[in-house]
Amino acid sequence: AQKITQTQPGMFVQEKEAVTLDCTYDTSDPSYGLFWYKQPSSGEMIFLIYQGSYDQQNATEGRYSLNFQKARKSANLVISASQLGDSAMYFCAMRGGFSGGYQKVTFGTGTKLQVIP
Amino acid sequence: DSGVTQTPKHLITATGQRVTLRCSPRSGDLSVYWYQQSLDQGLQFLIHYYNGEERAKGNILERFSAQQFPDLHSELNLSSLELGDSALYFCASSVGTGGKNEQFFGPGTRLTVL
Repeated sequence: AQKITQTQPGMFVQEKEAVTLDCTYDTSDPSYGLFWYKQPSSGEMIFLIYQGSYDQQNATEGRYSLNFQKARKSANLVISASQLGDSAMYFCAMRGGFSGGYQKVTFGTGTKLQVIP
Repeated sequence: DSGVTQTPKHLITATGQRVTLRCSPRSGDLSVYWYQQSLDQGLQFLIHYYNGEERAKGNILERFSAQQFPDLHSELNLSSLELGDSALYFCASSVGTGGKNEQFFGPGTRLTVL
Protein backbone atom coordinates (compact mmCIF):
# COMPACT_ATOMS: atom_id res chain seq x y z
CA ALA A 1 0.00 0.00 0.00
CA GLN A 2 1.07 3.55 -0.66
CA LYS A 3 1.31 6.14 2.05
CA ILE A 4 2.29 9.80 2.12
CA THR A 5 3.07 11.55 5.38
CA GLN A 6 3.24 15.30 5.86
CA THR A 7 4.05 15.97 9.49
CA GLN A 8 3.76 19.76 9.46
CA PRO A 9 0.11 20.84 9.61
CA GLY A 10 1.14 24.49 9.46
CA MET A 11 4.22 26.60 8.94
CA PHE A 12 5.20 30.25 8.95
CA VAL A 13 7.97 31.79 6.90
CA GLN A 14 9.22 35.34 6.57
CA GLU A 15 8.89 36.91 3.15
CA LYS A 16 12.02 36.40 1.01
CA GLU A 17 13.23 33.54 3.17
CA ALA A 18 13.45 29.91 2.06
CA VAL A 19 11.21 27.23 3.54
CA THR A 20 11.21 23.43 3.44
CA LEU A 21 7.99 21.43 3.54
CA ASP A 22 8.47 17.83 4.60
CA CYS A 23 7.10 14.76 2.88
CA THR A 24 7.89 11.12 3.49
CA TYR A 25 6.42 8.25 1.57
CA ASP A 26 6.10 4.52 1.74
CA THR A 27 5.74 2.14 -1.16
CA SER A 28 7.01 -1.24 -2.20
CA ASP A 29 6.95 -0.31 -5.88
CA PRO A 30 10.31 0.35 -7.52
CA SER A 31 8.68 2.73 -9.99
CA TYR A 32 6.71 5.71 -8.76
CA GLY A 33 6.32 9.43 -9.18
CA LEU A 34 6.19 12.13 -6.55
CA PHE A 35 4.33 15.41 -6.98
CA TRP A 36 3.74 18.61 -5.10
CA TYR A 37 0.59 20.66 -5.53
CA LYS A 38 -0.40 24.07 -4.20
CA GLN A 39 -3.97 24.85 -3.18
CA PRO A 40 -4.62 28.55 -2.53
CA SER A 41 -7.64 29.66 -0.52
CA SER A 42 -9.55 29.97 -3.80
CA GLY A 43 -9.54 26.16 -3.96
CA GLU A 44 -7.88 25.25 -7.23
CA MET A 45 -5.07 22.69 -7.30
CA ILE A 46 -1.89 23.86 -9.00
CA PHE A 47 0.89 21.48 -10.05
CA LEU A 48 4.31 22.60 -8.83
CA ILE A 49 6.93 19.93 -9.38
CA TYR A 50 7.49 16.26 -10.21
CA GLN A 51 10.18 13.72 -9.30
CA GLY A 52 10.39 10.25 -10.82
CA SER A 53 11.79 7.42 -8.73
CA TYR A 54 14.53 6.78 -11.27
CA ASP A 55 15.48 10.40 -11.79
CA GLN A 56 19.11 10.92 -10.87
CA GLN A 57 18.87 14.61 -10.17
CA ASN A 58 16.57 16.57 -7.90
CA ALA A 59 13.78 18.31 -9.77
CA THR A 60 13.67 22.09 -9.95
CA GLU A 61 10.98 24.43 -11.30
CA GLY A 62 11.79 28.09 -10.81
CA ARG A 63 11.71 28.84 -7.08
CA TYR A 64 10.63 25.29 -6.30
CA SER A 65 13.02 22.40 -5.82
CA LEU A 66 12.45 18.91 -4.59
CA ASN A 67 14.98 17.43 -2.17
CA PHE A 68 14.65 13.75 -3.10
CA GLN A 69 16.32 11.29 -0.75
CA LYS A 70 15.33 7.89 -2.03
CA ALA A 71 16.96 5.80 0.70
CA ARG A 72 15.15 7.82 3.35
CA LYS A 73 11.94 7.86 1.29
CA SER A 74 11.63 11.59 1.57
CA ALA A 75 10.64 14.20 -1.01
CA ASN A 76 10.78 17.58 0.65
CA LEU A 77 9.71 20.72 -1.20
CA VAL A 78 11.97 23.73 -0.92
CA ILE A 79 10.56 27.14 -1.79
CA SER A 80 13.21 29.80 -2.15
CA ALA A 81 12.63 33.53 -1.70
CA SER A 82 9.10 33.15 -0.33
CA GLN A 83 6.45 35.55 -1.59
CA LEU A 84 3.13 36.55 -0.04
CA GLY A 85 1.41 34.71 -2.87
CA ASP A 86 2.98 31.46 -1.69
CA SER A 87 0.57 31.39 1.26
CA ALA A 88 -1.48 28.30 0.57
CA MET A 89 -2.00 24.64 1.37
CA TYR A 90 0.69 22.37 -0.08
CA PHE A 91 0.10 18.71 -0.84
CA CYS A 92 2.64 15.99 -1.50
CA ALA A 93 1.35 13.12 -3.65
CA MET A 94 2.59 9.85 -5.07
CA ARG A 95 1.54 7.97 -8.17
CA GLY A 96 2.04 4.26 -7.67
CA GLY A 97 3.72 1.71 -9.82
CA PHE A 98 2.34 -1.46 -11.31
CA SER A 99 1.91 -3.50 -8.17
CA GLY A 100 -0.06 -0.76 -6.48
CA GLY A 101 -2.44 -0.10 -9.31
CA TYR A 102 -0.53 1.90 -11.81
CA GLN A 103 -2.44 5.12 -11.77
CA LYS A 104 -3.49 5.19 -8.15
CA VAL A 105 -2.56 8.50 -6.61
CA THR A 106 -2.17 9.05 -2.87
CA PHE A 107 -2.11 12.50 -1.29
CA GLY A 108 -0.73 13.61 2.04
CA THR A 109 -2.77 15.61 4.51
CA GLY A 110 -1.16 18.86 3.47
CA THR A 111 0.84 21.66 5.06
CA LYS A 112 -0.61 25.14 5.41
CA LEU A 113 2.09 27.69 4.68
CA GLN A 114 1.70 31.30 5.72
CA VAL A 115 4.18 33.88 4.48
CA ILE A 116 4.66 36.81 6.84
CA PRO A 117 5.51 40.25 5.43
CA ASP B 1 -7.21 28.54 -16.01
CA SER B 2 -6.14 24.89 -16.31
CA GLY B 3 -8.35 24.16 -19.31
CA VAL B 4 -10.33 21.54 -17.39
CA THR B 5 -13.96 22.42 -16.90
CA GLN B 6 -16.33 21.06 -14.31
CA THR B 7 -20.04 21.59 -13.97
CA PRO B 8 -21.86 22.49 -11.89
CA LYS B 9 -19.70 24.64 -9.65
CA HIS B 10 -22.01 24.18 -6.67
CA LEU B 11 -24.64 21.57 -5.98
CA ILE B 12 -26.99 21.40 -3.02
CA THR B 13 -29.18 18.36 -2.62
CA ALA B 14 -30.84 16.18 -0.03
CA THR B 15 -29.93 12.83 1.44
CA GLY B 16 -30.98 9.88 -0.64
CA GLN B 17 -30.80 11.78 -3.91
CA ARG B 18 -28.64 11.14 -6.97
CA VAL B 19 -26.42 13.67 -8.73
CA THR B 20 -24.15 13.74 -11.75
CA LEU B 21 -20.95 15.73 -11.91
CA ARG B 22 -19.46 16.50 -15.27
CA CYS B 23 -15.88 17.03 -16.36
CA SER B 24 -14.39 18.10 -19.69
CA PRO B 25 -10.65 17.47 -19.91
CA ARG B 26 -8.14 19.73 -21.60
CA SER B 27 -8.04 19.40 -25.35
CA GLY B 28 -5.87 16.43 -26.25
CA ASP B 29 -5.83 14.88 -22.79
CA LEU B 30 -6.92 11.24 -22.73
CA SER B 31 -6.76 10.63 -18.98
CA VAL B 32 -9.36 11.77 -16.50
CA TYR B 33 -9.08 11.39 -12.73
CA TRP B 34 -11.67 12.02 -10.05
CA TYR B 35 -10.85 13.10 -6.49
CA GLN B 36 -12.88 13.86 -3.38
CA GLN B 37 -11.67 16.46 -0.90
CA SER B 38 -13.34 16.64 2.49
CA LEU B 39 -12.28 18.04 5.84
CA ASP B 40 -12.14 14.68 7.59
CA GLN B 41 -10.81 12.48 4.77
CA GLY B 42 -8.50 14.91 3.02
CA LEU B 43 -7.88 14.48 -0.70
CA GLN B 44 -8.85 11.01 -1.86
CA PHE B 45 -8.32 9.48 -5.28
CA LEU B 46 -11.54 7.96 -6.58
CA ILE B 47 -11.02 6.63 -10.09
CA HIS B 48 -8.98 7.04 -13.29
CA TYR B 49 -10.07 6.62 -16.90
CA TYR B 50 -7.87 6.56 -19.95
CA ASN B 51 -9.42 6.90 -23.40
CA GLY B 52 -12.72 5.51 -22.23
CA GLU B 53 -11.35 2.63 -20.15
CA GLU B 54 -11.17 2.40 -16.40
CA ARG B 55 -7.51 2.15 -15.35
CA ALA B 56 -7.45 2.35 -11.58
CA LYS B 57 -9.83 2.58 -8.68
CA GLY B 58 -9.16 4.23 -5.39
CA ASN B 59 -11.45 4.79 -2.45
CA ILE B 60 -14.63 4.94 -4.48
CA LEU B 61 -17.82 3.83 -2.79
CA GLU B 62 -20.16 1.37 -4.49
CA ARG B 63 -22.81 4.11 -4.51
CA PHE B 64 -20.53 6.08 -6.81
CA SER B 65 -19.83 5.30 -10.43
CA ALA B 66 -18.07 7.02 -13.27
CA GLN B 67 -17.59 6.77 -17.00
CA GLN B 68 -15.64 8.42 -19.76
CA PHE B 69 -17.44 8.96 -23.04
CA PRO B 70 -16.10 8.76 -26.62
CA ASP B 71 -15.65 12.53 -26.69
CA LEU B 72 -13.48 12.06 -23.56
CA HIS B 73 -15.66 13.98 -21.16
CA SER B 74 -16.39 12.16 -17.94
CA GLU B 75 -19.24 11.96 -15.49
CA LEU B 76 -19.21 10.98 -11.84
CA ASN B 77 -22.54 9.69 -10.58
CA LEU B 78 -23.25 9.76 -6.86
CA SER B 79 -26.37 8.00 -5.61
CA SER B 80 -28.17 7.42 -2.30
CA LEU B 81 -26.37 10.49 -1.04
CA GLU B 82 -25.44 10.77 2.60
CA LEU B 83 -24.42 13.78 4.67
CA GLY B 84 -20.83 12.52 4.64
CA ASP B 85 -20.70 12.80 0.86
CA SER B 86 -20.56 16.57 1.17
CA ALA B 87 -17.19 17.51 -0.27
CA LEU B 88 -15.32 19.21 -3.06
CA TYR B 89 -15.04 16.91 -6.05
CA PHE B 90 -12.15 17.53 -8.40
CA CYS B 91 -11.59 16.25 -11.87
CA ALA B 92 -8.09 16.29 -13.34
CA SER B 93 -6.78 15.43 -16.76
CA SER B 94 -3.45 14.53 -18.27
CA VAL B 95 -2.16 13.69 -21.70
CA GLY B 96 -1.40 10.05 -21.02
CA THR B 97 -0.44 7.72 -18.25
CA GLY B 98 2.74 7.24 -16.29
CA GLY B 99 5.83 9.36 -15.99
CA LYS B 100 5.51 13.02 -15.26
CA ASN B 101 2.15 13.33 -16.97
CA GLU B 102 1.22 16.37 -15.00
CA GLN B 103 -2.40 16.39 -13.91
CA PHE B 104 -4.31 19.58 -14.55
CA PHE B 105 -7.11 20.07 -12.07
CA GLY B 106 -10.49 21.59 -12.73
CA PRO B 107 -12.02 24.16 -10.36
CA GLY B 108 -14.05 21.49 -8.58
CA THR B 109 -17.71 20.92 -7.82
CA ARG B 110 -18.74 21.66 -4.27
CA LEU B 111 -21.44 19.22 -3.22
CA THR B 112 -23.54 19.92 -0.15
CA VAL B 113 -25.89 17.20 1.05
CA LEU B 114 -28.54 18.42 3.49
